[in-house]
Amino acid sequence: DTTVKQNPRYKLARVGKPVNLICSQTMNHDTMYWYQKKPNQAPKLLLFYYDKILNREADTFEKFQSSRPNNSFCSLYIGSAGLEYSAMYLCASSGGHQDTQYFGPGTRLLVL
Amino acid sequence: GDSVTQTEGQVTVSESKSLIINCTYSTTSIAYPNLFWYVRYPGEGLQLLLKVITAGQKGSSRGFEATYNKETTSFHLQKASVQESDSAVYYCALGITGNTRKLIFGLGTTLQVQP
Repeated sequence: DTTVKQNPRYKLARVGKPVNLICSQTMNHDTMYWYQKKPNQAPKLLLFYYDKILNREADTFEKFQSSRPNNSFCSLYIGSAGLEYSAMYLCASSGGHQDTQYFGPGTRLLVL
Repeated sequence: GDSVTQTEGQVTVSESKSLIINCTYSTTSIAYPNLFWYVRYPGEGLQLLLKVITAGQKGSSRGFEATYNKETTSFHLQKASVQESDSAVYYCALGITGNTRKLIFGLGTTLQVQP
């Protein structure tokens, strides 16, 4: 089973309010990723967890936070949502030396 | 830097006709990146279609093929005879491995197969 689950599938948030998105996988993968996808743009990596080590992309370092309380779960946290955060957020995981990433269905975030 | 270019944003093909979706890549991070095609069917998440990790090799899946060409830095996706069920968005991606793990995606190509 190569299932990655994301909750919620749709999220409506208000400007200035926090947002927390959840991802889970049951494949015992050591790495979990978060990508942002906006219309007419390519999916863009925001951050990834390798085991318990968080790596954030330099250009989004201050905008997103994440936690991984155990191997199966990973969250994406926005402290204060702005209009520019409206996007599809894709979670993925990969395991061992395999760099194939398995994606969840995505969470569509709309910030108003 | 690293980038992937898909020149066609949308392609319309009649059922049973052949298809080619162009993909070229550029990388300064890694000499021999892994190359991927992902597909997103309507209402579903991104799925791996095929992957090639060795230059000169061809990958295939579900009737689709792509050859890793290091000389032309290309990884074009081809299918000899498309079906209506192939209608989807196709993403070419470059894999960066090691300490910096990421997929660099192209913009995607929307394939519409007409019956």
